[in-house]
Amino acid sequence: QVQLRESGPGLVKPSETLSLTCTVSGGSIGSHYWSWIRQTPGKGLEWIGYIYYTGNTNYNPSLESRVTISLDTSKNHFSLQLTSVTAADTAVYYCARRVRNPGSYDDYFDSWGQGTLVTVSS
Amino acid sequence: DIQMTQSPSSLSASVGDRVTITCRASQSLINYLNWYQQKPGKAPNLLIYAASSLQSGVPSRFSGSGSGTDFTLTISSLEPEDFATYYCQQSYLTPWTFGQGTKVEIK
Repeated sequence: QVQLRESGPGLVKPSETLSLTCTVSGGSIGSHYWSWIRQTPGKGLEWIGYIYYTGNTNYNPSLESRVTISLDTSKNHFSLQLTSVTAADTAVYYCARRVRNPGSYDDYFDSWGQGTLVTVSS
Repeated sequence: DIQMTQSPSSLSASVGDRVTITCRASQSLINYLNWYQQKPGKAPNLLIYAASSLQSGVPSRFSGSGSGTDFTLTISSLEPEDFATYYCQQSYLTPWTFGQGTKVEIK
């Protein structure tokens, strides 16, 4: 059973860069798609982007100019960087595994980290 | 972006009740629709994928139906552990989007 765990600072200053890491255990990062999703009381659940194990990425256009997702297969983890943060980026950030079975309608997030609260404040 | 609208936003029900939650998409998803359950302080948990397929380990009282733009999550007989918030999510087109959630509360 794959497990994911987010780590990183819980407090980031406005205009700085938010950096989080998701460590994957119980399975290899060398397959599947790996996503970041955030949740706020106001906007609900918002998909940020994903990275495929090949390094291909896909970002939400609403955040694309500020987001970078990368992965390190040697450490079995992937990371999120969000630049120029504001209070609107205060959220619980989740990492998740996307499962996709070509030729079917199976395309879903089956494993999630426990989430980490990131607050943007000076 | 595809807009996902759930109804109702909240409901009160008793143990043993049959509960139905609806999710409507702003365009056809074919069957690319998933349902998640979230309890306070926890991550969402996958219940149903591809509109009607039950995720492994999920009780059979949960079921999903629908296609195109209209989908339904049904809990056939509510158990105490089912009081939570439920979200639909489309995986037809990026950016993937979620409904605003339906909170199921104890009557």
